[in-house]
Amino acid sequence: DTAVSQTPKYLVTQMGNDKSIKCEQNLGHDTMYWYKQDSKKFLKIMFSYNNKELIINETVPNRFSPKSPDKAHLNLHINSLELGDSAVYFCASTQLTSRDGELFFGEGSRLTVL
Amino acid sequence: AQSVTQLDSHVSVSEGTPVLLRCNYSSSYSPSLFWYVQHPNKGLQLLLKYTSAATLVKGINGFEAEFKKSETSFHLTKPSAHMSDAAEYFCVVSDWESSASKIIFGSGTRLSIRP
Repeated sequence: DTAVSQTPKYLVTQMGNDKSIKCEQNLGHDTMYWYKQDSKKFLKIMFSYNNKELIINETVPNRFSPKSPDKAHLNLHINSLELGDSAVYFCASTQLTSRDGELFFGEGSRLTVL
Repeated sequence: AQSVTQLDSHVSVSEGTPVLLRCNYSSSYSPSLFWYVQHPNKGLQLLLKYTSAATLVKGINGFEAEFKKSETSFHLTKPSAHMSDAAEYFCVVSDWESSASKIIFGSGTRLSIRP
């Protein structure tokens, strides 16, 4: 039973389209994240939600809109896709109140914008 | 402010020889430090973590890391490399005493293993 699951795993789309990536965690964690990993493997935090509330919003274009319907889900919607949005997007969760706060990652969603 | 620097973008060792992946950090408070591994086309998996207990931390797959406050380092080592260790490794610092806690990733070190 996968702890953090993302769908879809692969997404190929045209510039200008709108797409969504979904994430669900069954660990009972309060905090979820979206990270973007570029072609050089650099991981950059995009958003963090704690109990459905946005707590971190890094410098990300407002074409990216996270939505957390409940604390087990954090979806990422991207409008007007651009070539530079091509990357692997990782969802992660943690129990932020725990000092041993291990991050649990999904397997990633590889987005290719043509 | 937190930051983490992985000093080598790529390390190549022969199978059976020691591995050293270097990490330096900067943190205003008492940090928690982690090493994660990412195998090709996979998500990241925790190797080990330091959270102010013993300074020498043992992780999975024979890896260990030593927290050295005086050197602000948290280098990852393994006595004998195995082919399956080939992957990308990330050092991570986390500040748990700030109300705006964040988790910061290093830029990653690609470990290659020569037969």
